[in-house]
Amino acid sequence: DVKVTQSSRYLVKRTGEKVFLECVQDMDHENMFWYRQDPGLGLRLIYFSYDVKMKEKGDIPEGYSVSREKKERFSLILESASTNQTSMYLCASSLSGDMNTEAFFGQGTRLTVV
Amino acid sequence: QQQVKQSPQSLIVQKGGISIINCAYENTAFDYFPWYQQFPGKGPALLIAIRPDVSEKKEGRFTISFNKSAKQFSLHIMDSQPGDSATYFCAARTSFSFIFGKGTRLLVKP
Repeated sequence: DVKVTQSSRYLVKRTGEKVFLECVQDMDHENMFWYRQDPGLGLRLIYFSYDVKMKEKGDIPEGYSVSREKKERFSLILESASTNQTSMYLCASSLSGDMNTEAFFGQGTRLTVV
Repeated sequence: QQQVKQSPQSLIVQKGGISIINCAYENTAFDYFPWYQQFPGKGPALLIAIRPDVSEKKEGRFTISFNKSAKQFSLHIMDSQPGDSATYFCAARTSFSFIFGKGTRLLVKP
């Protein structure tokens, strides 16, 4: 059974804290993604990575950074958490090229910044 | 141009009825169009998908209709069931990633 695992289901952090969201996939996928989900706004791409140590900005990268040191792991970093970063964060992975026909999602991390 | 516009935002259907969700896009470079289904507390999961060289794809009660010239595609759920109540996202594939619509919250009443 294919799996994308996010390290936390729920997180509460204080404004200004540095926050790490971790994601691990066991499918040997080349691509990994971080999306943010907000009511009425759908899924918005924050960053993605198509290979180890490679990263590309998505639609809303401001206030975030990412790290991919190993193929199976993709981390999202909130450098200085703010209340407007309270959201559901979804990690996903997929194959590359024309084999990229499905993004497999984790269960999400609901982050609250107080 | 990198947008996928989805409507309606929410939909209420009686059990046994047909649910229809519509999406439109501008970028003709999109080459693959999946639909995702998301239940509360879960991540989205692939439901059905279509390539632009096909006008219709059916899997059980779920059908995608695709109109390449109009740059529109839609999801039809036949004989809708309460278990279909979920949020549905259309999407389009770019070079590396997927662009998602804003989602449709479907409620099927018993």
